[in-house]
Amino acid sequence: ELKVEQNPLFLSMQEGKNYTIYCNYSTTSDRLYWYRQDPGKSLESLFVLLSNGAVKQEGRLMASLDTKARLSTLHITAAVHDLSATYFCAVDIWQETSGSRLTFGEGTQLTVNP
Amino acid sequence: ETGVTQSPTHLIKTRGQQVTLRCSSQSGHNTVSWYQQALGQGPQFIFQYYREEENGRGNFPPRFSGLQFPNYSSELNVNALELDDSALYLCASRFMDYGYTFGSGTRLTVV
Repeated sequence: ELKVEQNPLFLSMQEGKNYTIYCNYSTTSDRLYWYRQDPGKSLESLFVLLSNGAVKQEGRLMASLDTKARLSTLHITAAVHDLSATYFCAVDIWQETSGSRLTFGEGTQLTVNP
Repeated sequence: ETGVTQSPTHLIKTRGQQVTLRCSSQSGHNTVSWYQQALGQGPQFIFQYYREEENGRGNFPPRFSGLQFPNYSSELNVNALELDDSALYLCASRFMDYGYTFGSGTRLTVV
């Protein structure tokens, strides 16, 4: 059974600081997604990583994927309060009998303090 | 605007009742999947439909069932509601390999 583990689960950081959220997964996949979720809201797609070595950046967020290590990172640069949210990674697994499905990590609740 | 709409936004049901949640996907998105997100947890895969047939199911009992229609809409039905069914229910549509688009969700409270 696929397991997706994020750490840390809770992250409190000051504005202007840098930090990295880690996402480890237990089986082979070359497709990983990062989502943001605000309280009471749905999932907002941040990044789609489709191959080993993929790196994508949007504003203060940068995501990377190492399929050999089964590891993805979400790096936050010079955090601002607006980045406060819960961040999920999700691994996409395709099986011949059941098609694709996303398996999510537990989420990292990020709070950026002034 | 995500292009995936869900209804209702919120609803409250009594234990033992049945509920139907609805999702309308973008035209051409012939794969739809449903997820349950309990408070403070990541979404859990319920099942997936492709061209109106279920082609994948997570670890949910048979009282969770679904339908997908030719107009790209779908339903999630839950019978004999239990308190633990209280959650945010998300549908996601997919077009080929272009990733998943999630709807805004339905918040179900079972009392």
